[in-house]
Amino acid sequence: QVQLQESGPGLVKPSATLSLTCTVSGFSISSGYHWGWIRKPPGKGLEYIANIFHSGTSYYNPSLQTRVTISVDTSKNQFSLEVRSVTAADTAVYYCARLTYDTVDYWGQGTLVTVSS
Amino acid sequence: SSELTQDPAVSVALGQTVRITCQGDSLRYFSANWYQQKPGQAPLLVIFRKHNRPSGIPERFSGSTSGITASLTITGAQAEDEADYYCNSRDTSGNHLVFGGGTKLTVV
Repeated sequence: QVQLQESGPGLVKPSATLSLTCTVSGFSISSGYHWGWIRKPPGKGLEYIANIFHSGTSYYNPSLQTRVTISVDTSKNQFSLEVRSVTAADTAVYYCARLTYDTVDYWGQGTLVTVSS
Repeated sequence: SSELTQDPAVSVALGQTVRITCQGDSLRYFSANWYQQKPGQAPLLVIFRKHNRPSGIPERFSGSTSGITASLTITGAQAEDEADYYCNSRDTSGNHLVFGGGTKLTVV
């Protein structure tokens, strides 16, 4: 059974960098698939952020790509997200996920990140 | 703004059939997937690649696509189907994922 668990600070100050890690269990990232991040701001819909293959090939939402970096650590079976220069608009529940092409078949439980001073 | 357009809200009487739609030019070339999200929970995949149902999803959920419109149909809606529903696919460039804005389904 594939399981994903997000971890990271729940509160980030404006203009700082938001950093999250997703730990995968029940499946080796090195075995394949894409791994990604999706967020849901309060009262709004789901927003794709980025995804990465185990080789390191990455893809980004064009509207976020100047501020976002996704990375993978196959030795720890983890992948991570950084969002730089955050504002209140980055406040959201952040989900890590496994992707089969464009289908998100496994989701983490989500972690709320609030941007506030 | 999303490249996939959904009606913000739809309602259905208990036991009746409801169709939730998702419209976008990219659907002419790429498959749609559908997710159900209840408050406080992660989204759940209910239909993938236009019309396929993952294991454990009730048969009352079905999917189809015609032209640039994908549809999720719930035949015999139950109270537990009340949730937000999102479609997703690729954008017109094919390089990035995109989600629809979501449809809030109310079962009355």
